[in-house]
Amino acid sequence: SQQGEEDPQALSIQEGENATMNCSYKTSINNLQWYRQNSGRGLVHLILIRSNEREKHSGRLRVTLDTSKKSSSLLITASRAADTASYFCATEVRTTDSWGKLQFGAGTQVVVTP
Amino acid sequence: DTGVSQDPRHKITKRGQNVTFRCDPISEHNRLYWYRQTLGQGPEFLTYFQNEAQLEKSRLLSDRFSAERPKGSFSTLEIQRTEQGDSAMYLCASSRHHSTGGMNTEAFFGQGTRLTVV
Repeated sequence: SQQGEEDPQALSIQEGENATMNCSYKTSINNLQWYRQNSGRGLVHLILIRSNEREKHSGRLRVTLDTSKKSSSLLITASRAADTASYFCATEVRTTDSWGKLQFGAGTQVVVTP
Repeated sequence: DTGVSQDPRHKITKRGQNVTFRCDPISEHNRLYWYRQTLGQGPEFLTYFQNEAQLEKSRLLSDRFSAERPKGSFSTLEIQRTEQGDSAMYLCASSRHHSTGGMNTEAFFGQGTRLTVV
């Protein structure tokens, strides 16, 4: 079973608009990461936020983390056609003796039209 | 170092045949992960290694699947007696990890091996 669930499953916006997607998870985490995947390609890391952090920025990306609600959000500002991709959240969860198992949600498919 | 490398990129095999995939991680990374991804879904965790030790194997992985990382460097994933349901993209990733502090770098993914079982 997958740890995270992204919402919405699909998002269609126009260039210049902001895109927001959410991720909920179930168990305690060490960190939460967001990845992007272009069709048929490997995943590209976007941003990592640790469990003791609440907000992080990287370029046009803004990530928030609310561990009390077990949720995170990814905001892409001023979207571009090149942002068209699937976006996945992944959580580093604890195994029997250490952290390190990375579990993914089902993803949000984002389409940005010119 | 140019990142995580997977070979082959594509594999078409007949049902019942065995296949083996290889992953070369980033050289200084001690963790290596295998995932399976089907169309429209997120990557499903299969197994992962810390150096040469296999730390966990998903219940999704039947006895037909085996993974090794013999010297703590490259890894292989073998599927025996392939079935049509094994058709998927198989992704490998690596990261640097502290035993107590957790992951201190993101995971870097390869381009994947797309398996088609006919």
